[in-house]
Amino acid sequence: SQTIHQWPATLVQPVGSPLSLECTVEGTSNPNLYWYRQAAGRGLQLLFYSVGIGQISSEVPQNLSASRPQDRQFILSSKKLLLSDSGFYLCAWSAGQGLSGYTFGSGTRLTVV
Amino acid sequence: GQQLNQSPQSMFIQEGEDVSMNCTSSSIFNTWLWYKQDPGEGPVLLIALYKAGELTSNGRLTAQFGITRKDSFLNISASIPSDVGIYFCAKETSGSRLTFGEGTQLTVNP
Repeated sequence: SQTIHQWPATLVQPVGSPLSLECTVEGTSNPNLYWYRQAAGRGLQLLFYSVGIGQISSEVPQNLSASRPQDRQFILSSKKLLLSDSGFYLCAWSAGQGLSGYTFGSGTRLTVV
Repeated sequence: GQQLNQSPQSMFIQEGEDVSMNCTSSSIFNTWLWYKQDPGEGPVLLIALYKAGELTSNGRLTAQFGITRKDSFLNISASIPSDVGIYFCAKETSGSRLTFGEGTQLTVNP
């Protein structure tokens, strides 16, 4: 069966420090991968998505970047965190177009202080 | 943009009551999805709807895909404390991306 792992679960980082959040998927090949951010327990904002290795699409301009160095690995990064980067970050995967629904990871709670 | 309007934003109910929430869009779409997010966790898919007029149940949950393909509702019958969480509607856009509504925060009082 397919599983998705996301870590760390919580993170407290000072302003100006770098960030690296990792997400891996098991049990499937060539998944679509997504990074979402959720502020204050409300709506989910799509940050990045990837349909293959090295293919990254950005939905909104911001202080973050994403990379997909391997088929089932998706990394969210920042060189210098801002206070506004605080939030709940969710990774998700899907089997591709025509097959609806995402499976989400358990999320990373990031607090920038 | 392809926004989803979800209402109500929050609900406070007593255990045993029925709940109804809905989602509307200005555009028509082919798939509606309903997710539930428990506190501190990622959302989990509850029900997927693929055809206009489709009515689908999952235990105490029932969801319908509006006939105009621009709206959907989710009903929860006989609510229990573990129904607490945020409920999101979502629709698929191009490239297998999902757009989510702002969510309905449900609180169930024992």
